[in-house]
Amino acid sequence: AQKVTQAQTEISVVEKEDVTLDCVYETRDTTYYLFWYKQPPSGELVFLIRRNSFDEQNEISGRYSWNFQKSTSSFNFTITASQVVDSAVYFCALSLWDSNYQLIWGAGTKLIIKP
Amino acid sequence: DGGITQSPKYLFRKEGQNVTLSCEQNLNHDAMYWYRQDPGQGLRLIYYSQIVNDFQKGDIAEGYSVSREKKESFPLTVTSAQKNPTAFYLCASSHPRAGGDQPQHFGDGTRLSIL
Repeated sequence: AQKVTQAQTEISVVEKEDVTLDCVYETRDTTYYLFWYKQPPSGELVFLIRRNSFDEQNEISGRYSWNFQKSTSSFNFTITASQVVDSAVYFCALSLWDSNYQLIWGAGTKLIIKP
Repeated sequence: DGGITQSPKYLFRKEGQNVTLSCEQNLNHDAMYWYRQDPGQGLRLIYYSQIVNDFQKGDIAEGYSVSREKKESFPLTVTSAQKNPTAFYLCASSHPRAGGDQPQHFGDGTRLSIL
């Protein structure tokens, strides 16, 4: 069975702290894609990153970085020097080769950045 | 600018009434999706369409109906059979390339409440 687990329901940190959001996935497929989305209070989901199963290279984009480890089936997201504008719900999702374009979503992690 | 437009932003339904949520995209995407999001929870797929005049049920299709007469439009009707319609509804679209590697792009959502 395919599944995405975001065990952290809510995280609260003070501005400028670093924070890591965990994502663990389950699949027996060898070809798959992982995504992170951000949902600010306005409600729209914003695509952040896509990673395919053959590319374990970590990625950094400004204050955001992603750590993909197939050995532990994890695709964690770290925000460095967090800012109040980072406050949102973050979703991790999994897409399979034969998924018929459907995404398997995690439950989301609500991130609160306090000033 | 290309994007997805959902309307209305807020919608109220009376008992026994059918209501229709609009979703229009100008991204030239073939695939479109409808999700339901309940407070503090992740996204659940209602219906999806890979091409005009074709659509498939998602995980929670009961009480909902859709049509896909035009590539740009994918309206969702919440029927009176849906006994608990209060939720946040999100529409998305993507290029349906084989392999499921294309990210979905989302509209701003519609909040539906029962009067």
